[in-house]
Amino acid sequence: GNSVTQMEGPVTLSEEAFLTINCTYTATGYPSLFWYVQYPGEGLQLLLKATKADDKGSNKGFEATYRKETTSFHLEKGSVQVSDSAVYFCALFFGNEKLTFGTGTRLTIIP
Amino acid sequence: DAGVTQSPTHLIKTRGQHVTLRCSPISGHKSVSWYQQVLGQGPQFIFQYYEKEERGRGNFPDRFSARQFPNYSSELNVNALLLGDSALYLCASSLTPFGTTPYEQYFGPGTRLTVT
Repeated sequence: GNSVTQMEGPVTLSEEAFLTINCTYTATGYPSLFWYVQYPGEGLQLLLKATKADDKGSNKGFEATYRKETTSFHLEKGSVQVSDSAVYFCALFFGNEKLTFGTGTRLTIIP
Repeated sequence: DAGVTQSPTHLIKTRGQHVTLRCSPISGHKSVSWYQQVLGQGPQFIFQYYEKEERGRGNFPDRFSARQFPNYSSELNVNALLLGDSALYLCASSLTPFGTTPYEQYFGPGTRLTVT
């Protein structure tokens, strides 16, 4: 079945550092890929998405590129802020299957 | 525009009791999905409803049930609560059900259920 493997956390960075959170997937075809963010005490918010190979999703300074050759969708941001502290979930959707999530990566940004 | 709303925000129940959680989707959205998020884990799919019909079910026992009303709001019911049912229950709405492209789900803030 479909699955998502995320970089284990927690990840702690200083403000203005470069961020990468790794995500790889297993699927029988070419799924749509998503990054969701969960701030403390809140539900999930869609951060960005990509629906086909080589697509780049971007939002709020975050980017992720759909790489079918490496089955990856790594999340990156050039300069993180304290307000980016949250839990980040990679997810995939394919065909008639449900939305499948990774286990999440907790990110803490230190001023 | 209002997002997905869920009630109650928090709930404490005792083992063996029954609980009902409620969700109102974004206006115009006809599909509602329910997820269970145990602390430290990603959300796990429980149910999806579209146009009042069940369109998908995850790997959860029959103690879990749901329904969708004509106004597209939804209820999740859990019977005979166990300690392991303690989790954040998330509702998500979308315009269309699984199997359509493009597909996006929008999540509510969740209901935190604690079973003692």
